[in-house]
Amino acid sequence: DQQVKQNSPSLSVQEGRISILNCDYTNSMFDYFLWYKKYPAEGPTFLISISSIKDKNEDGRFTVFLNKSAKHLSLHIVPSQPGDSAVYFCAAREVSNYQLIWGAGTKLIIKP
Amino acid sequence: GAVVSQHPSWVICKSGTSVKIECRSLDFQATTMFWYRQFPKQSLMLMATSNEGSKATYEQGVEKDKFLINHASLTLSTLTVTSAHPEDSSFYICSARRLAGYEQYFGPGTRLTVT
Repeated sequence: DQQVKQNSPSLSVQEGRISILNCDYTNSMFDYFLWYKKYPAEGPTFLISISSIKDKNEDGRFTVFLNKSAKHLSLHIVPSQPGDSAVYFCAAREVSNYQLIWGAGTKLIIKP
Repeated sequence: GAVVSQHPSWVICKSGTSVKIECRSLDFQATTMFWYRQFPKQSLMLMATSNEGSKATYEQGVEKDKFLINHASLTLSTLTVTSAHPEDSSFYICSARRLAGYEQYFGPGTRLTVT
């Protein structure tokens, strides 16, 4: 049973527009949610996180929104740039053991 | 800060041999290290979690006798793939976490090809 779901395997966005990546979760026992970016043949790099007690966190072009009632979070990238083309993973940290539960990833393609 | 290195970045070995992959936290003490495996077009699969000085905790379906993990110091963890077979070919990634931290810092990954 997948506790963290990224239902869109890929997303294509025009350069300069907003990219919105979505993530849903089924477990309420998560205290942090994180977004990672991954290029092929490289390890993931941390992008941005949000505590479960907040509903928004912003860092430059990246904003993460958390809707606890809907068990949904989203990552907004604006404006989208060619270098943003990568696979984006959302992850949720379990309160009990601090383990990260990963989504399947969404491949973002920024079109020039 | 928070740099994690992996060595080697790419290794080719013959079937039946063993391969050791090192994961080092370069500028912080990692009380917990994680080993992941990524198959093409698939998500990261957590293989095991290791805390410094104690035995690793393996995820269901991961053979602990095949994938030996040692976390002998706060800056080094090793994964040894024993008696490697072609189906073990994959991209192995380690990550490290500080005590009570929530972020995991990832290494660059190791591409293992077993012929």
